[in-house]
Amino acid sequence: EVQLVESGGDLVKPGESLRLSCAASGFTFSDAWMNWVRQPPGKGLEWVGRIKSKVDGGTTDYAAPVKGRFTISRDDSKNTVYLHLNSLKTEDTAVYYCTFSGSYGPYYFDYWGQGNLVTVS
Amino acid sequence: SSELTQDPAVSVALGQTVRITCQGDSLRNYYASWYQKKPGQAPLLVFYDKDKRPSGIPDRFSGSSPGNTASLIITGAQAEDEADYYCNSRDSSGNHVIFGGGTKLTVL
Repeated sequence: EVQLVESGGDLVKPGESLRLSCAASGFTFSDAWMNWVRQPPGKGLEWVGRIKSKVDGGTTDYAAPVKGRFTISRDDSKNTVYLHLNSLKTEDTAVYYCTFSGSYGPYYFDYWGQGNLVTVS
Repeated sequence: SSELTQDPAVSVALGQTVRITCQGDSLRNYYASWYQKKPGQAPLLVFYDKDKRPSGIPDRFSGSSPGNTASLIITGAQAEDEADYYCNSRDSSGNHVIFGGGTKLTVL
């Protein structure tokens, strides 16, 4: 069974940093392109960024609002993807989900974590 | 442009058919996917690509994607379909993912 378990969410002050983790199991993690998506309170879903598999280059892409402040990394030996959040702003307050496509192509997200709340205040 | 536009809210009578639309220039090059989002739950992929439904999704969910508009069609809407629905696709560069603003579906 595929599982994505996120952790690391917390209440932090503006300008501080935080690291979210997403521990994966039940699939070949090293082959997966891992994404982060967030949902601010009362607002819609927003793609944050993605890290490709190492075989596909291991490169990262980020949405404009977080580029230069957030970094995605992966440790295939631990089946874990990380989201490093730096220079946090109040508008970064959101539930953060890790997600990937297991079956349908890299841009169709059929597996999601339970979400992790980050509050910047 | 790199935006996807959805109507904020749509309502449908129980058992009737509803179409939820998503407009954007990038849809001329990339297919949309659709996600159902209920409060406190993770998003659920309900339709993707030109005409594909994930395993376990009822066949009352279908889609179309002519030109710059993608649609999610629910034929015979059920009470449990009441949720927020989001489209997503790639942006014009093809490297980033973009989401529409979401449509709140009310089943009357």
